[in-house]
Amino acid sequence: NAGVTQTPKFQVLKTGQSMTLQCAQDMNHNSMYWYRQDPGMGLRLIYYSASEGTTDKGEVPNGYNVSRLNKREFSLRLESAAPSQTSVYFCASTGLQGPYEQYFGPGTRLTVT
Amino acid sequence: GENVGLHLPTLSVQEGDNSIINCAYSNSASDYFIWYKQESGKGPQFIIDIRSNMDKRQGQRVTVLLNKTVKHLSLQIAATQPGDSAVYFCAEDSGSARQLTFGSGTQLTVLP
Repeated sequence: NAGVTQTPKFQVLKTGQSMTLQCAQDMNHNSMYWYRQDPGMGLRLIYYSASEGTTDKGEVPNGYNVSRLNKREFSLRLESAAPSQTSVYFCASTGLQGPYEQYFGPGTRLTVT
Repeated sequence: GENVGLHLPTLSVQEGDNSIINCAYSNSASDYFIWYKQESGKGPQFIIDIRSNMDKRQGQRVTVLLNKTVKHLSLQIAATQPGDSAVYFCAEDSGSARQLTFGSGTQLTVLP
């Protein structure tokens, strides 16, 4: 049981390049989330998917798109990377019932030059 | 929107002492609060949670206190150990789609 996995762990992009961050969970969770974490700050929600087939914007969605590929997988795409998107990205998931506890992946450290 | 914030950005304690990390929240309608621990280079890890109908909850070496009158949340860690060194975040439910709003975090350093 791996929990929440993310790939890649590290990535360096040039301004204008595109990339997709992958996330998968094996806990049969319904809801999945993408956050960004900047130095000295808490996590800010980019997009979330309350259930398979649905996605919604969070606090900071500009410059990102997401795809809930199936119940397990939720990807985050940067179409044209900007230096302001340099951050650590975390994926999380939670079940439909019970507490709101979100389980987090190990993160992707992205640098845009 | 309303934010969850922390009183102290850094906290240093001697090994073996008790630690208290504080959090102020502003959304009086929040029903659920969580404390997360984040070690360097890792994702946040759940520590303990509490619902708004409680004022205290205990776990293993940790206690969360909730004071709804002043909208204050605290995390107490007993007999702090070097492995407790990390950033601690409080989070509150945002009321929809099981979203959480996170505070900015407190860095706890345990001194030998």
